[in-house]
Amino acid sequence: GEDVEQSLFLSVREGDSSVINCTYTDSSSTYLYWYKQEPGAGLQLLTYIFSNMDMKQDQRLTVLLNKKDKHLSLRIADTQTGDSAIYFCAERGFQKLVFGTGTRLLVSP
Amino acid sequence: SQTIHQWPATLVQPVGSPLSLECTVEGTSNPNLYWYRQAAGRGLQLLFYSVGIGQISSEVPQNLSASRPQDRQFILSSKKLLLSDSGFYLCAWSVGRSPGNTIYFGEGSWLTVV
Repeated sequence: GEDVEQSLFLSVREGDSSVINCTYTDSSSTYLYWYKQEPGAGLQLLTYIFSNMDMKQDQRLTVLLNKKDKHLSLRIADTQTGDSAIYFCAERGFQKLVFGTGTRLLVSP
Repeated sequence: SQTIHQWPATLVQPVGSPLSLECTVEGTSNPNLYWYRQAAGRGLQLLFYSVGIGQISSEVPQNLSASRPQDRQFILSSKKLLLSDSGFYLCAWSVGRSPGNTIYFGEGSWLTVV
């Protein structure tokens, strides 16, 4: 079955880079997503990557995909306090998204 | 542009009381609709999805139910709430079912069962 795992917590200083990691099990996943959830709010789509890509860059965000190891990462350059949130990795099956438990990113000044 | 509205935003209900959460989507037609739940300290779990009016698929057995009375309306209900139903409920939509169709989320509803 599908399973997505993430580390629960990451703490960085403002201005540093953050790297949030995710592993998934469904090798047939064709799209993988990163969502951001701020406190008490819904999920905001940050970016997604198609499985035939190794990397996708979007401003401060870089997504790396290692399909062989089923490993996905999200790098946030020049992390700001406003980036503090929970970040969810998700893999897309035919009908639904399967989410990880989320990584809480804390950015300190 | 498409928007999704979900209400109420917060709800405190006693055990055994009924529940109704409503979600509507604007700016698109025949969307796929979803209800997810996020329990405290846990990830997101898909509860129900619908590909059309009156068509509901349940992912997990529970005392919740969903209905889709209109094309862009999705309702999550319960006849008798349990303490374990507490959590953050998210409605979502997508156009089409292929993996390339992104799923977009509403702002969520906080449910506390006391």
